[in-house]
Formats: sequence, C-alpha cells, structure tokens
Amino acid sequence: VQLVQSGAEVRKPGESLNISCQASGYRFTTYWIGWVRQMPGKGLEWMGIIYPGDADTRYSPSFQGQVTISVDKSITTAYLQWRTLRTSDTAMYYCFRRGVIEATSGAVAVDFWGQGTLVTVSS
Amino acid sequence: AVQMTQSPSSLSASVGDRVTITCRASQVIRNDLAWYQQKPGKAPTLLIYGASSLAVGVPSRFGGSGVGTDFTLSISSLQPEDFATYYCLQDNLFPLTFGGGTKLEIK
Repeated sequence: VQLVQSGAEVRKPGESLNISCQASGYRFTTYWIGWVRQMPGKGLEWMGIIYPGDADTRYSPSFQGQVTISVDKSITTAYLQWRTLRTSDTAMYYCFRRGVIEATSGAVAVDFWGQGTLVTVSS
Repeated sequence: AVQMTQSPSSLSASVGDRVTITCRASQVIRNDLAWYQQKPGKAPTLLIYGASSLAVGVPSRFGGSGVGTDFTLSISSLQPEDFATYYCLQDNLFPLTFGGGTKLEIK
C-alpha cells in the first residue's frame, strides 16, 4: 500500500489550490480516503473523508464549506481543493486510508498515511 | 462531535521507564479507538487499533486498553526511538476526532 502526495505549494491569499494523493497497492474503491491538517507546531485535525466506491463524503464541521474532497477512480487519486485560500490554511496536509484492517473481526482503522504536502499561503 | 481529551499534554521520562497516556471520550465509543505515533517532520504511524490490538510490526512493549469512554496507551520499557508525539483517534462516529496529543520527551 502506498499513498503518494503531490509536492509543496506556495500560494497567495485568495488563490485556489488542489493537492492530490495517489493510492496504489490495494483496491481503491473499497477503502475510505481522507485528509488531516497539521498547523505548524500543532496537533492533528481530521478534515474529512470520501468513499471512492460511491463518493459518499463526510466533513468535519470545522472544514465544511471551506474545502472540497473528491476522487478520480480512474487514476486512484484523491484531491483536497480550496477555492479561496487564507493565510490560516498554511499547514501540512496528510491523506490517509481507512478501512477493514482485520478481516476476522472486521476491525476498521486509519492504517496508512501519505507523506504530507506542505501548503504555504502568504502575500 | 465526539470530543477526545488526552492527557498529559507532555511527559518527561527516561529510557527504560514505563509510561501511560490516557484518552477520554465525551461519549461511549465502544472500542473504536486507535493510537498513533508521530515523529518530527513525518506522517503519523498506527500503533494500536480497536483500543487494544497491536498493529503489524509494532513492538510488544506498546499496549492499549479501555472500552467505552476511557482508554490507555502504555509503553512498558521506553526505548530511545519512542520519544515522539502520540495521538488517540476515535473511529466510532463521523467526524472522526483526535486527542490533543502527548509529547514524550527524554528526561
């Protein structure tokens, strides 16, 4: 299993941005894939998640309306999109996979992570 | 959303010590809790899932317990590579929520 994220980005406030997370090594449509924010020197914040099989998407209330999560099943890639960036969006963003980790028990977990994409928003 | 209260926020310990980190959920989450380790500049890695199951490749000095609202991560004999930040994550109800983190430092 690998989740490979796109490279670091520098943008100005008000600009738009898409970052990506390409998955490989497993059946893409049967695991949730989502995003976590980590602001400089701070903890992990769960942003949202999407099920590629049917595009069911859930957001944290803190991020609802601020970002859009989507997937392109044909290239097994998930996206995190901003239409209007703010300086407070400066952070490291990680994608993750969530699904059944133990077939016998059906236990579910967030088990694999991307390497992170650093987004810097500055005028 | 389920609030996860993690304590302590920081902890100083020595190699060979046993340490315990706790997470309390604001409502019952069964055993739907995971623990992660994060080192500076790196992505988190899964240690424990289902509150007490060790992830593949994780040393047996790590252990998890708890059910309902109160959960514990224990490290039985600290090794130099264990000094890192640890997070709990509830996986019972969307939105999933993290604890605030515990930074484990060398004394």
